[in-house]
Amino acid sequence: GAVVSQHPSWVICKSGTSVKIECRSLDFQATTMFWYRQFPKQSLMLMATSNEGSKATYEQGVEKDKFLINHASLTLSTLTVTSAHPEDSSFYICSATRTVLNEKLFFGSGTQLSVL
Amino acid sequence: GQQVMQIPQYQHVQEGEDFTTYCNSSTTLSNIQWYKQRPGGHPVFLIQLVKSGEVKKQKRLTFQFGEAKKNSSLHITATQTTDVGTYFCALSSNTGKLIFGQGTTLQVKP
Repeated sequence: GAVVSQHPSWVICKSGTSVKIECRSLDFQATTMFWYRQFPKQSLMLMATSNEGSKATYEQGVEKDKFLINHASLTLSTLTVTSAHPEDSSFYICSATRTVLNEKLFFGSGTQLSVL
Repeated sequence: GQQVMQIPQYQHVQEGEDFTTYCNSSTTLSNIQWYKQRPGGHPVFLIQLVKSGEVKKQKRLTFQFGEAKKNSSLHITATQTTDVGTYFCALSSNTGKLIFGQGTTLQVKP
């Protein structure tokens, strides 16, 4: 099956710093990538939809200036958590699909962010 | 927006017992997907159901899509400790994004 690589797997940072998370599709071109956030024992909450070459579409309640998404190529999307605070601590997971509609998602391994 | 309700939230079973999780939507779904997330891991795609009344099997797992395409279920026969994890149903919107149910966390006692 298709492989999605996500780095880093975990990161600990000080409050006020910015953290960049990378998501790469290794063996296919991902027209669309999705960024999810998951708190302990909760479901995956969609944060934004990222399309190559265009601005990301953010879900209601997600601050676009706080969570910067860049999808510079068909194989790479990045999420930058700017000026991180302890409440941003969470598990962030990216996923990719080869087509737009009704395609199964291939997930990265996730990034556990802890903000001190 | 579209939403899907998933129950139960948790299920503890003895190894060998059966397990079922249900997803319900107030609107008709074009399709529904099921994922499994092991503790500490990421979701892994299990199956997609598209047709009304569809039933698909994967070894001990049976997936059903309701006749009205508003509900779906995942049934595991004779659970094993390797079945432990959280099972999510997910529906895809017409813009391609996937909306996840709340998930059912399965614990299996050996």
